[in-house]
Amino acid sequence: NAGVTQTPKFQVLKTGQSMTLQCAQDMNHNSMYWYRQDPGMGLRLIYYSASEGTTDKGEVPNGYNVSRLNKREFSLRLESAAPSQTSVYFCASNSQPGNTIYFGEGSWLTVV
Amino acid sequence: GQQVMQIPQYQHVQEGEDFTTYCNSSTTLSNIQWYKQRPGGHPVFLIQLVKSGEVKKQKRLTFQFGEAKKNSSLHITATQTTDVGTYFCAGRNAGNNRKLIWGLGTSLAVNP
Repeated sequence: NAGVTQTPKFQVLKTGQSMTLQCAQDMNHNSMYWYRQDPGMGLRLIYYSASEGTTDKGEVPNGYNVSRLNKREFSLRLESAAPSQTSVYFCASNSQPGNTIYFGEGSWLTVV
Repeated sequence: GQQVMQIPQYQHVQEGEDFTTYCNSSTTLSNIQWYKQRPGGHPVFLIQLVKSGEVKKQKRLTFQFGEAKKNSSLHITATQTTDVGTYFCAGRNAGNNRKLIWGLGTSLAVNP
């Protein structure tokens, strides 16, 4: 039981490049989330998926797209990376909104 | 919009001293969760408080939820170096059960 697994752990991108962060959970959770964490800014919600087949914008969705591929997987795509997207990204899940959130180990992304 | 203010932002203590972090919401919360993030790690769930005036203990950690369900605190008795990290509160608006509103966290440093 791995919990929430996200890849890659580290990535350096050039401005304008695209990439996808992958996330999978093996806890049969309905809800999945993508957060970014920046110094002094806490955790900010980018997108979430309350259940398979649905996605919604969070606080900071601009520059990102998501796909809830199936119940297990929720990917985050940067179509044209910008230096402002340098951050630590966390995927997370829970069985339903209101319950304990389980986080992946994080993906450190640097855009140069 | 709804905010959860968390203070202090940083706290530096000597090992053995006590530590408290506070969260204050601008609106009534249905529940509040607390998470701990070790340096370089990911947030890990500590506890959830639901009832007005609720107090829960986990060894040296004491969590309280205010009578008005607008504030909460985490108190650590006799800190140890293993307590180092950032403590986040996350409150769920009583009128909106989809998203958590995160505090910015309190970073705790402990001098041995």
